[in-house]
Amino acid sequence: DTGVSQDPRHKITKRGQNVTFRCDPISEHNRLYWYRQTLGQGPEFLTYFQNEAQLEKSRLLSDRFSAERPKGSFSTLEIQRTEQGDSAMYLCASSPDYRSGRDGTDTQYFGPGTRLTVL
Amino acid sequence: GENVEQHPSTLSVQEGDSAVIKCTYSDSASNYFPWYKQELGKRPQLIIDIRSNVGEKKDQRIAVTLNKTAKHFSLHITETQPEDSAVYFCAASRVDYKLSFGAGTTVTVRA
Repeated sequence: DTGVSQDPRHKITKRGQNVTFRCDPISEHNRLYWYRQTLGQGPEFLTYFQNEAQLEKSRLLSDRFSAERPKGSFSTLEIQRTEQGDSAMYLCASSPDYRSGRDGTDTQYFGPGTRLTVL
Repeated sequence: GENVEQHPSTLSVQEGDSAVIKCTYSDSASNYFPWYKQELGKRPQLIIDIRSNVGEKKDQRIAVTLNKTAKHFSLHITETQPEDSAVYFCAASRVDYKLSFGAGTTVTVRA
């Protein structure tokens, strides 16, 4: 499967614990986005990377959240001291290099998501 | 920031009929408008998108129209089939930037 992959697919944790999710984008995609989706809502932007550089973070991303993309390939999203309100689906998406000028470079391809449940 | 509103929130249609979902956006700088389909428990999948230099785009039974002046765009599904049942999300953004999504429309196609 050459699509975006995420691991784990499901995570159940107790309040106060730390969790880390991984996203592997489509090979050669240099943009990587993290979104959060709660039940009955559309995905909400959290943060995005151009290669290894984190270019923007949403105000939704409190100081308990941190994301990295150290080598410009896979990315991790860590949540420290989880709260029940963090329960959601965390989606990762990637898109091609816009500088190539090819059509469709703005298309974001989504991974299957990591469903987090905080008890 | 961008604010996208989507209507209706639920839509039930008879198989073979058409379905229309409408979205409005607030940021006049937005120039990219994708539509995603999400089946229960699965990832959002792009079904069609439109850029601001065109007013309409069609792909088989799916079409999207864009009115930049009024800041609204719509998804049209013709000859609906049971496999069209899903949640549909519209989104808006500037090219190569974060997507702002609508709240979604749950489409049910009755056999």
